[in-house]
Formats: sequence, structure tokens, C-alpha cells
Amino acid sequence: GAVVSQHPSWVICKSGTSVKIECRSLDFQATTMFWYRQFPKQSLMLMATSNEGSKATYEQGVEKDKFLINHASLTLSTLTVTSAHPEDSSFYICSAEGQGTNQPQHFGDGTRLSIL
Amino acid sequence: RKEVEQDPGPFNVPEGATVAFNCTYSNSASQSFFWYRQDCRKEPKLLMSVYSSGNEDGRFTAQLNRASQYISLLIRDSKLSDSATYLCVVNIAPPGGYQKVTFGTGTKLQVIP
Repeated sequence: GAVVSQHPSWVICKSGTSVKIECRSLDFQATTMFWYRQFPKQSLMLMATSNEGSKATYEQGVEKDKFLINHASLTLSTLTVTSAHPEDSSFYICSAEGQGTNQPQHFGDGTRLSIL
Repeated sequence: RKEVEQDPGPFNVPEGATVAFNCTYSNSASQSFFWYRQDCRKEPKLLMSVYSSGNEDGRFTAQLNRASQYISLLIRDSKLSDSATYLCVVNIAPPGGYQKVTFGTGTKLQVIP
């Protein structure tokens, strides 16, 4: 089946650091990738939709200057949490959609971000 | 009203029981539907797509009712390993636009020995 690789799995860093998370589709091309955030005991919340070769579409309430998304190729999207603070600590998950209509999402393993 | 609604549960059922979850969606332009399973502190995993004609995969049966705008997931002969949160996902793909994916909040299932 389709495989999506997300890296790193865990990040612990100091407040003020910028953190970059990579999401790669390993065996298929993904025109669209999605970035989610999940706080403990809560559902996934879509942060932004990343479209290859164009600007990301951010959900209401998500700061685009805080969460920088780059989708430079059909197999790679990156999320950079700039100047991270403790309230940014969360589980970040990416997903990639296969080409074609009505395709399901394939999720990466997620990144646990802890800001001290 | 939320775009996709699910009963959060928890549903506590004994092993071997049959359990059903429903998920309602508000946008009639919704085009594709999926059930995902999420274990605690893990990423969601695709369980099955939901087709208009209904579909079955082993102990799992998914159905779509477009008229009433809901999808369902039936689990027969529940196993302890079925304990997880089940997420309903609805996709809308407007002509010429990008797909919009909406998750339900999930229904927690706990299968008891």
C-alpha cells in the first residue's frame, strides 16, 4: 500500500527554536498533502492544505507566518514551526492524497513536538 | 452545525458483540467517504472506503446513505484488538478546486473481555 514517511518522529527543543518537519510520499506522487495537529484526547485538526507548486491554504485561526509550509515536489512537503513556544507542543501529522479522484488519505507516523 | 458529526462514545462492548457507529455530514456535495482507525497516540490508519452500494471487509461493513447524509460502520464479532477510536472522514472535491477533507471527532470503542 501507499507509504508516507514523516520525519522526525520526536523533537524536544527550547522555546524560540524553529522546527522543520518533513513529509514524503515514498511510492506515489502526491499533488496534495495535508498537515494536522492533534492535542491530547482531541481529534485531528486540519492546519493547512499543501499543494505542489503553489501556496498552502491555511485553515482559519492557523498563522501562516508561524507555520511555514513548502511543497516543492510531488513527493515532499515540509512544515516549519517558527520560533516555537510551549503552546506549540503537540502531535503533528501529515497525510498525502494519491493522484486521481476520491482517493483516501495516507498518513505519516506523526511528529511529537515538545517545546521546553 | 459541524460538517461531520460522530457520537464520541465511549462504546463499551463485550467481546463477540456487534457494534455500529454512525456519522452524519452536512454538505450534500460530499463525494467520498472513509473510515479510519486511530489507536491511542498513533496516526490514523485507513480502515475502509465507503461506497454507495455498501461494502464489506471481513467483520467490517460500511454503508452510505446519501439521502439522509450519513455513513455507518458495523463491526461484527468484536475483538479486544478492535478497541480504538474510529474516525469518519468526508471529502469534498469542488470542480476546479482543491479537495477539502473533514474529519469527525471520532468514536471511541472499548471491547471488554
